[in-house]
Amino acid sequence: DSGVTQTPKHLITATGQRVTLRCSPRSGDLSVYWYQQSLDQGLQFLIQYYNGEERAKGNILERFSAQQFPDLHSELNLSSLELGDSALYFCASSSRLQWEQFFGPGTRLTVL
Amino acid sequence: AQTVTQSQPEMSVQEAETVTLSCTYDTSESDYYLFWYKQPPSRQMILVIRQEAYKQQNATENRFSVNFQKAAKSFSLKISDSQLGDAAMYFCACISNFGNEKLTFGTGTRLTIIP
Repeated sequence: DSGVTQTPKHLITATGQRVTLRCSPRSGDLSVYWYQQSLDQGLQFLIQYYNGEERAKGNILERFSAQQFPDLHSELNLSSLELGDSALYFCASSSRLQWEQFFGPGTRLTVL
Repeated sequence: AQTVTQSQPEMSVQEAETVTLSCTYDTSESDYYLFWYKQPPSRQMILVIRQEAYKQQNATENRFSVNFQKAAKSFSLKISDSQLGDAAMYFCACISNFGNEKLTFGTGTRLTIIP
């Protein structure tokens, strides 16, 4: 158990819908990262938050957004969903003093 | 930008034997870290081992060790005394540029353990 929690574990929805994925980092970790793992794109970095502020952006679509709240949990919002958004979405967290990132169990999103 | 390449999509090894997974990377940064992550069928991403670029000594964690060749930008993972529980996808990853701490992953190597 990495100490990072993600909810829900599975999500099935239809095209055009909007969903929210939630992540709670390890106790004391200020950085939260979101990654997408799909069959054809592998593991791709989406976005990073540090202590409530956006710190880095990767290959994140405009239809996707994220935020980190004062209690440090983070939410990834995916809207106008398409079939190609079906993937495993990971949240990871890290301490400022360490470089390794600890991953949550992921949320499996299926868009039908 | 940084890139990570894993040229072995699949590998197999007999139980109790030793196997080496290859990884090459490219980064323009002088300060970076390298990692191997394991993803078993449960899909959980598990950190196996890390290597700081400024350290010449190769990292070791129990049966797992790395061969870090900085000049060649090579970072291979050796698994000794392979066990059935080692069967998984293994991803090599790199972080560089302390101000942009995103992990760049390779495409992974699927390791099968033959009983």
